[in-house]
Amino acid sequence: EDQVTQSPEALRLQEGESSSLNCSYTVSGLRGLFWYRQDPGKGPEFLFTLYSAGEEKEKERLKATLTKKESFLHITAPKPEDSATYLCAVQGTQGGSEKLVFGKGTKLTVNP
Amino acid sequence: KAGVTQTPRYLIKTRGQQVTLSCSPISGHRSVSWYQQTPGQGLQFLFEYFSETQRNKGNFPGRFSGRQFSNSRSEMNVSTLELGDSALYLCASSSWGSLRYNEQFFGPGTRLTVL
Repeated sequence: EDQVTQSPEALRLQEGESSSLNCSYTVSGLRGLFWYRQDPGKGPEFLFTLYSAGEEKEKERLKATLTKKESFLHITAPKPEDSATYLCAVQGTQGGSEKLVFGKGTKLTVNP
Repeated sequence: KAGVTQTPRYLIKTRGQQVTLSCSPISGHRSVSWYQQTPGQGLQFLFEYFSETQRNKGNFPGRFSGRQFSNSRSEMNVSTLELGDSALYLCASSSWGSLRYNEQFFGPGTRLTVL
């Protein structure tokens, strides 16, 4: 069974203090690893898809990386508006389904 | 381009009632998936539709059902509501057809409260 574990559960940073969020996964054939951002009361907002180990993607202050067992979301010089819950999900190759298996998320708070 | 829309945004029901939620995918997207989000369990997969066919189903009781119409719009139904069904129900759509272009885009969700 595909599984995703995210750590830490919660993270408090000062504005400008860089850090990383971790996503460990087990999947029987990785089709894609997804990162989403979710603000309270809203649906998840798509950030990145990573497809193979060694791949990296960047968007503003965010950079996602992927290995065969985990993914990291690096946040460089965060701002208060980066405060949100960050969700990681995997999609396996079995059955041609688009099913995403999500981790519980990391709640990030950036203080000014 | 308009995003995924879900209606209604909020619902309050009592135990034993049934409810129908609606999802309109992004124009051109033919794949629709539904997820339940609760504080304890996080996001859990309910089911997935493509071209009016259910392609996959999660581990939820038969009280949860869904369908997709020819215009790709989708509905999910929950019968005999229980208190534990209180959750944010999210719909996601994707442009299935290309192995690489399978990003799923989520709607704002329907907040269901069962009293």
